[in-house]
Amino acid sequence: AQKVTQAQTEISVVEKEDVTLDCVYETRDTTYYLFWYKQPPSGELVFLIRRNSFDEQNEISGRYSWNFQKSTSSFNFTITASQVVDSAVYFCALSFNDYKLSFGAGTTVTVRA
Amino acid sequence: KAGVTQTPRYLIKTRGQQVTLSCSPISGHRSVSWYQQTPGQGLQFLFEYFSETQRNKGNFPGRFSGRQFSNSRSEMNVSTLELGDSALYLCASSLFEAGRDEKLFFGSGTQLSVL
Repeated sequence: AQKVTQAQTEISVVEKEDVTLDCVYETRDTTYYLFWYKQPPSGELVFLIRRNSFDEQNEISGRYSWNFQKSTSSFNFTITASQVVDSAVYFCALSFNDYKLSFGAGTTVTVRA
Repeated sequence: KAGVTQTPRYLIKTRGQQVTLSCSPISGHRSVSWYQQTPGQGLQFLFEYFSETQRNKGNFPGRFSGRQFSNSRSEMNVSTLELGDSALYLCASSLFEAGRDEKLFFGSGTQLSVL
């Protein structure tokens, strides 16, 4: 069975601080895909980043970066120099060849001005 | 390009009634997925449709059903509503079949309250 764990329930930071969100996953498959989505107060989930299990290269995209480590089954996500508009619920998700996403419980990020 | 549109935005029903929720995907997208979001269970997969065929169904009772039309629009139906069905129902569309590395585009959801 696939499982995604986001141990952090809530994170509160002051604007311009960096925020790192933890994600640990469980799977027996060798081919899988990992995602981060953001859910602002308006409700719709917004795609942020994705990675497949064969690509452990970590990248930076604007203020977002991620650290994918297969050895520890972790896919952590960092927001650099946070802004008030980054306040949202962030979800880590896992997918295979079964037409669906399995989401973690989400981490609520509050960025204070 | 218009995003994923879900109607209605809010809905209040009473136990025992049935409800139909509608989802219009992004133009050109052929896959529609439905998710239920509750504070206790989080985001749970309901079903996925691609070209009018249901590809996968989540662990929900038979009271939850859905369908997709030839124009890719989708509806989900919940019969004999229970209090526990109160949730935000999110629809997502994608160009190809959901899953693998396919990016999903979500609507703002329908907030269903069962009294």
